[in-house]
Amino acid sequence: DVKVTQSSRYLVKRTGEKVFLECVQDMDHENMFWYRQDPGLGLRLIYFSYDVKMKEKGDIPEGYSVSREKKERFSLILESASTNQTSMYLCASSFPHRVAYNEQFFGPGTRLTVL
Amino acid sequence: GIQVEQSPPDLILQEGANSTLRCNFSDSVNNLQWFHQNPWGQLINLFYIPSGTKQNGRLSATTVATERYSLLYISSSQTTDSGVYFCAVAHTDKLIFGTGTRLQVFP
Repeated sequence: DVKVTQSSRYLVKRTGEKVFLECVQDMDHENMFWYRQDPGLGLRLIYFSYDVKMKEKGDIPEGYSVSREKKERFSLILESASTNQTSMYLCASSFPHRVAYNEQFFGPGTRLTVL
Repeated sequence: GIQVEQSPPDLILQEGANSTLRCNFSDSVNNLQWFHQNPWGQLINLFYIPSGTKQNGRLSATTVATERYSLLYISSSQTTDSGVYFCAVAHTDKLIFGTGTRLQVFP
């Protein structure tokens, strides 16, 4: 079974803090994705990566950056957290390389609250 | 961009009832997935079904790509089926999610 894990289920941070959300997958998938989910807006793609040290912007990259130093790990970084980044963050992975439309598998999500 | 619409938006059932959820999309797609989001927020893969019919226990799905829709059937519903059901279609290089159907199953 594919397993995608995220570092925290719940996280509370203060405005202006630097926040790291970590995602790890154990199936040797090349492709990894970060989404955020908000009521009424659905799931929106923030960033994705097809390979180590590669990243591509999704639909809403502003205020975020990412890091992919190892194949199994994809980190989402909020450089200076703001209250409008309070959301549910979901990580996903898929195979094979660069075929984004293949089946994606999701982690359990991180509910981030920025005060 | 491609539009993905799900219906109904909300569904309330008694345990044991059957239901059909629909997903319409406005353009050709490479892939279609059905997910169940449980009350804790986890998205669970139900089906990867770009076309044709698949069954998994009490659940089955059919996608008619030429007519741009997919159906998810839930038979003999259980309280554990409660949650939000999403379809998601792959268009160009992105997965586009529908707005979901919220299902509540009461004993």
